[in-house]
Amino acid sequence: GQQVMQIPQYQHVQEGEDFTTYCNSSTTLSNIQWYKQRPGGHPVFLIQLVKSGEVKKQKRLTFQFGEAKKNSSLHITATQTTDVGTYFCAEQSGGSNYKLTFGKGTLLTVNP
Amino acid sequence: DVKVTQSSRYLVKRTGEKVFLECVQDMDHENMFWYRQDPGLGLRLIYFSYDVKMKEKGDIPEGYSVSREKKERFSLILESASTNQTSMYLCASSLGTGGGYTFGSGTRLTVV
Repeated sequence: GQQVMQIPQYQHVQEGEDFTTYCNSSTTLSNIQWYKQRPGGHPVFLIQLVKSGEVKKQKRLTFQFGEAKKNSSLHITATQTTDVGTYFCAEQSGGSNYKLTFGKGTLLTVNP
Repeated sequence: DVKVTQSSRYLVKRTGEKVFLECVQDMDHENMFWYRQDPGLGLRLIYFSYDVKMKEKGDIPEGYSVSREKKERFSLILESASTNQTSMYLCASSLGTGGGYTFGSGTRLTVV
C-alpha cells in the first residue's frame, strides 16, 4: 500500500536544541496525522492536518502540511527530556474505511 | 476520554496454539483496527473493521483472522501461532467520520 517516508530514523539532541522530523509521499495525501509514542508506551494522537499549507501549533510543537499535500513536518522548539519518544506521521486513506498507513517513525532522544 | 482496553499486557504461547487477543473500546467508535509493531518495521495494519460483523484485510493479514460481533469489541485470532508472530499487538479505534486513533496499551505476545 501507499507509504509515507519519514526522516530521520533517529535524532539525538541536547536539551534546549530544536528538533524536526519530516514525512514525504510521492502522491498527494488526503490528510496527515502525527502521533507520539513514549518508550514502552503506545502511540498517542497529536494532531491532524487537512488543508494545503496548513500550520498548527501546540505549545513548543509546530506542525506543517506542504502546499502540494505531499509532505509534512513536525518541529519541536527547545526540546525537553519529556519530548523523548518516537514520532510517527500517518497518512489516512479516503473512502469509508479511514485506515492509517504509518511512517516508520523518528526516535528522539534528549540529553539533559 | 476514550478508552481502548486490551485484555493482556504480556502473553506467552506455544507454537501451534490458537491465540485470542481481545480489545474493547468504550466510546461507541465505528472503526477498530489491529496493528503489529516490530523494530525497524514500524506499525503494520493486520485487519480493520468499520462496522459490526464487517472486516477488511490490512497489509499483513496472513495467519490472522478477526471477529467483531459487537460494536465495542474487536478480537484478533491467531489460528495456529508461529514464532514469527512474536510481536507487540496494538488495537485502536476511531470515529466513523475519521480523525485520530485511540490506541490500547498493547499486548506483547511471545510465541515459543
